[in-house]
Amino acid sequence: QVQLVESGGTLVKPGGSLRLSCAASGFTFSDYYMSWIRQSPGKGLEWLAYIGRSDSAVLYADSLKGRFTISRDNSKNTLFLQMNSLRVEDTATYYCARDKYQGVIAFGGVHSHWGQGTLVTVSS
Amino acid sequence: SYVLTQPPSVSVAPGQTARITCGGNNIGSESVHWYQQRPGQAPVLVIYEDIDRPSGIPERFSGSHSGNTATLTISRVESGDEADYYCQVWGGGHVVFGGGTKLIVL
Repeated sequence: QVQLVESGGTLVKPGGSLRLSCAASGFTFSDYYMSWIRQSPGKGLEWLAYIGRSDSAVLYADSLKGRFTISRDNSKNTLFLQMNSLRVEDTATYYCARDKYQGVIAFGGVHSHWGQGTLVTVSS
Repeated sequence: SYVLTQPPSVSVAPGQTARITCGGNNIGSESVHWYQQRPGQAPVLVIYEDIDRPSGIPERFSGSHSGNTATLTISRVESGDEADYYCQVWGGGHVVFGGGTKLIVL
């Protein structure tokens, strides 16, 4: 079955950097668009970025202002999120999610499978 | 980009029907997707492309979309349906989630 397992979340100081990983299994990873979505404590869902089947297609939420970078390693079935210049307001649970549609050229926008999330806490 | 508006909460007695709305300017041309998030868990897709139900989701869950309002309907509500529900669209170069609705089963 489809499994997505995030890791890398931890306590980091403001201004610091962190790299999150999402290990995928149970499906052909390279066939799917992938996204990162976060949820601040007690708040709603916020989509951050998606990446196409290769690194060629990426899109970010305007709010990130270039601080985050999404990437993937299809040989290792792993999705990444590099987060720089972290702020207190970046404190959240970070989820990776798989798009529903296999082998498509364009992002489908349907997040059919989610990982369990990894908690990032930004605090001094 | 779109702004999706959901009621903060909806209350319903067990066995009754719950309706959760999602409104937004100009979403009439976009597909709306719905996610259920139980406390302490990751979101789960319950309706996609306005009306389609993923495998494993009970038939009690249904979706509709008319004009600028989409609706998630849960029939014969059970205590296990108590959760936060989020609508979402992908359009205009943005993925947007609604603010979420807490379904309270009385």
